Amino acid sequence: GAVVSQHPSWVICKSGTSVKIECRSLDFQATTMFWYRQFPKQSLMLMATSNEGSKATYEQGVEKDKFLINHASLTLSTLTVTSAHPEDSSFYICSARGQGEVGELFFGEGSRLTVL
Amino acid sequence: QKEVEQDPGPLSVPEGAIVSLNCTYSNSAFQYFMWYRQYSRKGPELLMYTYSSGNKEDGRFTAQVDKSSKYISLFIRDSQPSDSATYLCAMKKGSGNTPLVFGKGTRLSVIA
Repeated sequence: GAVVSQHPSWVICKSGTSVKIECRSLDFQATTMFWYRQFPKQSLMLMATSNEGSKATYEQGVEKDKFLINHASLTLSTLTVTSAHPEDSSFYICSARGQGEVGELFFGEGSRLTVL
Repeated sequence: QKEVEQDPGPLSVPEGAIVSLNCTYSNSAFQYFMWYRQYSRKGPELLMYTYSSGNKEDGRFTAQVDKSSKYISLFIRDSQPSDSATYLCAMKKGSGNTPLVFGKGTRLSVIA
């Protein structure tokens, strides 16, 4: 299967600072990547769809100025949590769509953000 | 009614048991059905996918789709403690770029 790498896997930051999370497709090109948020013992919540070379599409209720997404190349998408607050503490997971006919999603390892 | 329903569990079984994980769905347009496994604090990992109705087997795992009942299953034979994880079903209406809709996931614990 395709490999998606996510970095950092774990980050702690102070309230008010910004944190950037990177998502890379290692062995394939991904025109579309997805960012999810997951609270403990909850399922995946789609935050936004990241399209290479264009603006991201955000799901209802997700603040686009708070969660900045950039998809500058076919192998890299970044999520920046701006002016982070403790309520932003969560597990963030990116995924990329495979190039096969089915279009199944391959996920990164996730990034655990803790805002103090 | 949610598009995809999945019992969150937790489900606890002894080692060696056969595990049955299930999802139901309401939209008959779904054509592709997938199962993901997610270990604690890790991203989901694609286990297998099936197209339309039928069975698909991969080692100890068997995926089954019954479109007439809008019901999908994942069976795990000879379950191992290393199978302890959350299992998410997911489905989509078409190939390519159509959205994937996830179930909430079922937490499975296999006790040695």
